[in-house]
Order: sequence, then structure tokens, then C-alpha cells
Amino acid sequence: DAMVIQNPRYQVTQFGKPVTLSCSQTLNHNVMYWYQQKSSQAPKLLFHYYDKDFNNEADTPDNFQSRRPNTSFCFLDIRSPGLGDAAMYLCATSRLAGAYEQYFGPGTRLTVT
Amino acid sequence: AQRVTQPEKLLSVFKGAPVELKCNYSYSGSPELFWYVQYSRQRLQLLLRHISRESIKGFTADLNKGETSFHLKKPFAQEEDSAMYYCALNGGATNKLIFGTGTLLAVQP
Repeated sequence: DAMVIQNPRYQVTQFGKPVTLSCSQTLNHNVMYWYQQKSSQAPKLLFHYYDKDFNNEADTPDNFQSRRPNTSFCFLDIRSPGLGDAAMYLCATSRLAGAYEQYFGPGTRLTVT
Repeated sequence: AQRVTQPEKLLSVFKGAPVELKCNYSYSGSPELFWYVQYSRQRLQLLLRHISRESIKGFTADLNKGETSFHLKKPFAQEEDSAMYYCALNGGATNKLIFGTGTLLAVQP
């Protein structure tokens, strides 16, 4: 089945130790998104790629970076994780931008020790 | 500012009872609104969108611009409807979905 895959499902990292989360898709969608969701809060968009064009949200900390080497893959890099970065990270895709359905991955739960 | 408000964190109903999950939004233009659902141990997925004006799994939602609301309704709740429901807004030409904090629907047998 075509889908959005996130690896790993659970990630534990140490305070200040860089970590990379991975997302891949078999839907051949143009747009890929990264959301952060903390406990009991709404998913919050960090950034997205429309093809190769990177779009950062104004309030996304510089600590968070992203790479999209090709259509299928997108990575979230956290350069120096703090305790406040512990959250569920959701990857999503959509065929085009705007009011198109977003397809979500299962998420990666990040723990910072 | 664009905002989505879901006032209820938890809504508990009995099987067969009507359900209404509330969603209010703040947006100055013409919004595009969605309901996403997350069943236990499953990924977040689209339930319905206002532009489609469709009924999915018995759920409907009508956009009321006067009240800036997009409440989700179902006349007779089923146990399998138990899930987390998120209302979301796409504002204008952006690619951005703004989510509410979600309402956990618990349908009791």
C-alpha cells in the first residue's frame, strides 16, 4: 500500500546530542510537512517542502532543520535537543498545496534524557 | 490571527446517542475546514472536508460563517466512533493546516 513511513517510531536521545528523524513516502506527493505535537496539544507545523522549495514557519526554532534529498524522503534534524523538544513528530504529505488531504505517518516519539 | 478552538477535551456519550463535536475558528477570509480523526494506535487521517459537503461514516459538518463554526455531528454514535477528533483550518493561499487541540470522543456501550 502507498503510504507515509516514519523511522524510527521511538527515538531516545541525550540532551544536546543531534538527532535525525526520517520520513519517506510512496505516494509521489509534491508536498511534505513536519509537525510537532506535544502532549494534549494540537499538531504544530514546523516547516514544509513544496517540491524542493523549503518553507519555514516563523516561530520554528533554529535548532530544527530539514532536508529533502528527493521526492520520497524528508528528514528532520534537531541540532541540539533540549528537554522541551520531547514530543511526537508527525510527517505528512499532500499531492498539492492548499486544501488537499494530508496523509500522515505514524509519528516518531522523541524522548530527550 | 488564524485559530481553531475545540472547547471540549473529552466528550462521553452512550451508543445510539447523538454526537456533536464543537469547532470554532478565527479567520478573516474564506476558510477551508477539515475534520481529521485518529483511532487508537492508528495514524491521523482525514475524515471530511467542508468543500466536499459529504457524509463520512455517518458524520456531517456544516460550515457556519456567521457563527464561525464547523461542528461535527452524527445522529447515532457507535462504539467504533471512539477516537480523537481534530478540527483544522487551511487559511487562504498558504499550505498550512492549523489544528485545534482535539476532542476525545468516548462512546460507551
